[in-house]
Amino acid sequence: LAKTTQPISMDSYEGQEVNITCSHNNIATNDYITWYQQFPSQGPRFIIQGYKTKVTNEVASLFIPADRKSSTLSLPRVSLSDTAVYYCLAGSYNTDKLIFGTGTRLQVFP
Amino acid sequence: DAMVIQNPRYQVTQFGKPVTLSCSQTLNHNVMYWYQQKSSQAPKLLFHYYDKDFNNEADTPDNFQSRRPNTSFCFLDIRSPGLGDAAMYLCATSRGGQDKGGYTFGSGTRLTVV
Repeated sequence: LAKTTQPISMDSYEGQEVNITCSHNNIATNDYITWYQQFPSQGPRFIIQGYKTKVTNEVASLFIPADRKSSTLSLPRVSLSDTAVYYCLAGSYNTDKLIFGTGTRLQVFP
Repeated sequence: DAMVIQNPRYQVTQFGKPVTLSCSQTLNHNVMYWYQQKSSQAPKLLFHYYDKDFNNEADTPDNFQSRRPNTSFCFLDIRSPGLGDAAMYLCATSRGGQDKGGYTFGSGTRLTVV
């Protein structure tokens, strides 16, 4: 499982776009990049997953450059309810485990 | 709705008194996991079951045990809780292996040791 590095915390204001970058220099060929979101006193929940280029869903976009050594989670027009911890994971399909890194604590202000 | 249910949401136990946390799932997933999450930290994997096969993480203390009597249920037993075991315990399920986006977590049980 590739080690990931992301900022410990970020602040934003309602309506802004937030970009959280994750570094995974040792990512393996068959590793996917997956992001989870965790609200206080709840379990993490899946946001988005990708292998390369760009993936978009109703919640977020994920940008992965050609070398795949980093990725950026983009949250368009955040609201107060987006205040949470965001975890970046780079894991192989060959394992049955999900190992969390430190995560990024996003605080959205009015 | 298919889901992962943890009971109870809050558990208070005495120092050294065995305690059991429970998890049930209606997703029919092969794999069930237990994570420990302390305040302001990331979830830490304790162990998981792939069907009936138990997989312990190397750094999980012997004080923590688990049982999976059937596909739907999994239990976390803490034999002699210490103050340092106070944490949120999260249960999760997945089909296994292929989809790191396919993990479903319960809401957790917050354990207090007094």
